[in-house]
Amino acid sequence: AQKVTQAQTEISVVEKEDVTLDCVYETRDTTYYLFWYKQPPSGELVFLIRRNSFDEQNEISGRYSWNFQKSTSSFNFTITASQVVDSAVYFCALSSFQGAQKLVFGQGTRLTINP
Amino acid sequence: KAGVTQTPRYLIKTRGQQVTLSCSPISGHRSVSWYQQTPGQGLQFLFEYFSETQRNKGNFPGRFSGRQFSNSRSEMNVSTLELGDSALYLCASSLPTGTGSTDTQYFGPGTRLTVL
Repeated sequence: AQKVTQAQTEISVVEKEDVTLDCVYETRDTTYYLFWYKQPPSGELVFLIRRNSFDEQNEISGRYSWNFQKSTSSFNFTITASQVVDSAVYFCALSSFQGAQKLVFGQGTRLTINP
Repeated sequence: KAGVTQTPRYLIKTRGQQVTLSCSPISGHRSVSWYQQTPGQGLQFLFEYFSETQRNKGNFPGRFSGRQFSNSRSEMNVSTLELGDSALYLCASSLPTGTGSTDTQYFGPGTRLTVL
């Protein structure tokens, strides 16, 4: 069975601080995808990134970066120089590589950026 | 390109009633998945439809059902509503890719269902 664990339930930081959201996953699949989604107060899940299990290169997109380590089954997300608009609930998710359009989500981390 | 749309956005029902929620995917997307989000259980997969066929189903009772139309629009139905069905119901669409690999799912704004 697949499982995603986001141990940090809530994080609160002051604006401009860097913050890292942790994600640990379990799967028996040898190939799979990992995702991060953002859920602002409006409720819609906003797609941030998808990584396949073949590619362990870290990725940077503006103030966002992702660190994928297959050896520790982790896919952590860092926001650099956080802004108030980054306040949201962030979800890490896992899916099989083929066939199933089914996401297994972690419990989410509520991030609050204080001015 | 317009995103995933869901109607209605809010619903209030009473126990024992049934409800139908609608989802229109992004143009060109053929797969529609449904998820239930509650404070206690988090985000849970309900089912996925592709080409009018249910391909995957989560661990939910038979009161939860769905269908997909030829234009890829999807509906989900919950019969005999229970208090515990109060949740945000999210619909997501994806292509998927011709190789059969999992594609990125894009979510709609959700329908918030309250059962009294």
